[in-house]
Amino acid sequence: QQQVKQSPQSLIVQKGGISIINCAYENTAFDYFPWYQQFPGKGPALLIAIRPDVSEKKEGRFTISFNKSAKQFSLHIMDSQPGDSATYFCAATTGNTGKLIFGQGTTLQVKP
Amino acid sequence: NAGVMQNPRHLVRRRGQEARLRCSPMKGHSHVYWYRQLPEEGLKFMVYLQKENIIDESGMPKERFSAEFPKEGPSILRIQQVVRGDSAAYFCASSPPNRGGTGELFFGEGSRLTVL
Repeated sequence: QQQVKQSPQSLIVQKGGISIINCAYENTAFDYFPWYQQFPGKGPALLIAIRPDVSEKKEGRFTISFNKSAKQFSLHIMDSQPGDSATYFCAATTGNTGKLIFGQGTTLQVKP
Repeated sequence: NAGVMQNPRHLVRRRGQEARLRCSPMKGHSHVYWYRQLPEEGLKFMVYLQKENIIDESGMPKERFSAEFPKEGPSILRIQQVVRGDSAAYFCASSPPNRGGTGELFFGEGSRLTVL
């Protein structure tokens, strides 16, 4: 019930291509869905986030698509760059605790 | 404005020793969270603290682990009698008042514990 399932585990994309990472959840009480980016040896950093009353949010090359009925959300990285190579985590939270339930992570490699 | 500061960045302990990990939140932040990241896994919530209060410790193992966030000084995650399975990266995150519920947490660079 509290899980967030993320796929794929790893992804290789050519420079300029589109990277797509998918997440699914069960708990309908989740009310905020952030994505975090983590580089090796560093802590996760907030990339973009969405609430369930919005179907899409775009910030630069990064877009979150949200499907409330299917309980799924995805991250799209347009015009992927080698500098985007990192591990991406989707997450979900509920209430005011700030307690995040993270997906398992996707390691993205963008080839030049 | 300095970010979330964690120390030590790397810590090596032998089985049975104690590990103490420290976290200073960002200036103006009063909420602190600890997460654990095992190799090849995602981050798992451990505990959520405010000054002098533990708000949610549902992710903390029942034995050997404790956390505090005193009125003065950093938050401390303490692991007593460490075992090899405690080897992981421990991340601290902070948020300002009234923003924690949005999921906007600011993470430190982590403390990597290795138990020999």
